[in-house]
Amino acid sequence: AQSVTQLDSQVPVFEEAPVELRCNYSSSVSVYLFWYVQYPNQGLQLLLKYLSGSTLVKGINGFEAEFNKSQTSFHLRKPSVHISDTAEYFCAVRTYNQGGKLIFGQGTELSVKP
Amino acid sequence: DTAVSQTPKYLVTQMGNDKSIKCEQNLGHDTMYWYKQDSKKFLKIMFSYNNKELIINETVPNRFSPKSPDKAHLNLHINSLELGDSAVYFCASSQRQGAMVAFFGQGTRLTVV
Repeated sequence: AQSVTQLDSQVPVFEEAPVELRCNYSSSVSVYLFWYVQYPNQGLQLLLKYLSGSTLVKGINGFEAEFNKSQTSFHLRKPSVHISDTAEYFCAVRTYNQGGKLIFGQGTELSVKP
Repeated sequence: DTAVSQTPKYLVTQMGNDKSIKCEQNLGHDTMYWYKQDSKKFLKIMFSYNNKELIINETVPNRFSPKSPDKAHLNLHINSLELGDSAVYFCASSQRQGAMVAFFGQGTRLTVV
């Protein structure tokens, strides 16, 4: 079975500061990794994904994440955040043969302050 | 045009009632899902259909019954609603069962009183 742990439930930062949202996963088989963002009262939007290849993946809105197989991590980073980045961020994994279901972490609330 | 749309967006109902949430996708996808987000924002899959066929049925009470009249629609019917059913329910779709990207709807906030 797979599991995902997001190490921080809340991350407050000031505008234009860098941010890292941490995600660790556990799986006995290869996984695909995702970050989704949920703005207040909205659905989930895909930020970025790692399927294979380069371990550094870039997504929308200036976010990037690095897949580290040895540490089973997939941390999300942004060098300079904006107020509009305030949202809930979810890390998720899936395997190839489980019907496409995503297994989510608990979420990290990013709060960007002026 | 909304890719994955759910109705209603908000639903307040009394315990014991039966209610349905509808989901439609206009992406031509084969696979659709229902996820539940609880009060702590934890997301968990409930069901998945591929071309109208049930492929994932997590440990969900029998009171929850998905119905897929065609591959563009996946509705969720809930019988005998309980307080613990209060949550946000998200519909999602992907191009096919093995596709990597799922597109989510806006969610339906169900409140059982």
